[in-house]
Amino acid sequence: GEDVEQSLFLSVREGDSSVINCTYTDSSSTYLYWYKQEPGAGLQLLTYIFSNMDMKQDQRLTVLLNKKDKHLSLRIADTQTGDSAIYFCAESTHSGNTGKLIFGQGTTLQVKP
Amino acid sequence: GAVVSQHPSWVICKSGTSVKIECRSLDFQATTMFWYRQFPKQSLMLMATSNEGSKATYEQGVEKDKFLINHASLTLSTLTVTSAHPEDSSFYICSAREGGAQNTEAFFGQGTRLTVV
Repeated sequence: GEDVEQSLFLSVREGDSSVINCTYTDSSSTYLYWYKQEPGAGLQLLTYIFSNMDMKQDQRLTVLLNKKDKHLSLRIADTQTGDSAIYFCAESTHSGNTGKLIFGQGTTLQVKP
Repeated sequence: GAVVSQHPSWVICKSGTSVKIECRSLDFQATTMFWYRQFPKQSLMLMATSNEGSKATYEQGVEKDKFLINHASLTLSTLTVTSAHPEDSSFYICSAREGGAQNTEAFFGQGTRLTVV
């Protein structure tokens, strides 16, 4: 079945780069997403990548996709204390045109001043 | 970006009562809405997918008689937790998608914290 795995915790110092990793099992995934969740809040879409791409950059965010290994990563450059949150990767196959998302368990990013 | 609003943001109810949570797409028509449940420090678990005007599709293990979903219009879906019990206490999040095979983004509501006492 579909499964998405993430490491649970990452701690970095302010100004360093953060790299959050994710693996998935569904080879028919169409889109892969990164969401940010701050305490007690909903999810904010940060970025997404289509499965035929291997890299996408958006300001401080860089997404790398290794489709062969089914590995997705999110790099945050110049990490700030405001980046502290839980980051979820998710995959979607758009099966039946519903596009339901399967989420990983989330990585808690702690940014130390 | 598009806005999805959930109401209420938090609710406390007595065991045995029912609670309704609303999910509204404010500036777009949501063909499909999704309801998720999130336990503390855990991932989001998809409960059901609802398409406007038709019955919701529930994920395996989710009781459809317990969690009633109605998607009567293109801007509103409701989740009713019937005969709530303390184990139903959780964070419930909806998301809405405008629809179409090429649409990539599902917009999320801010979530509803349900506490059953």
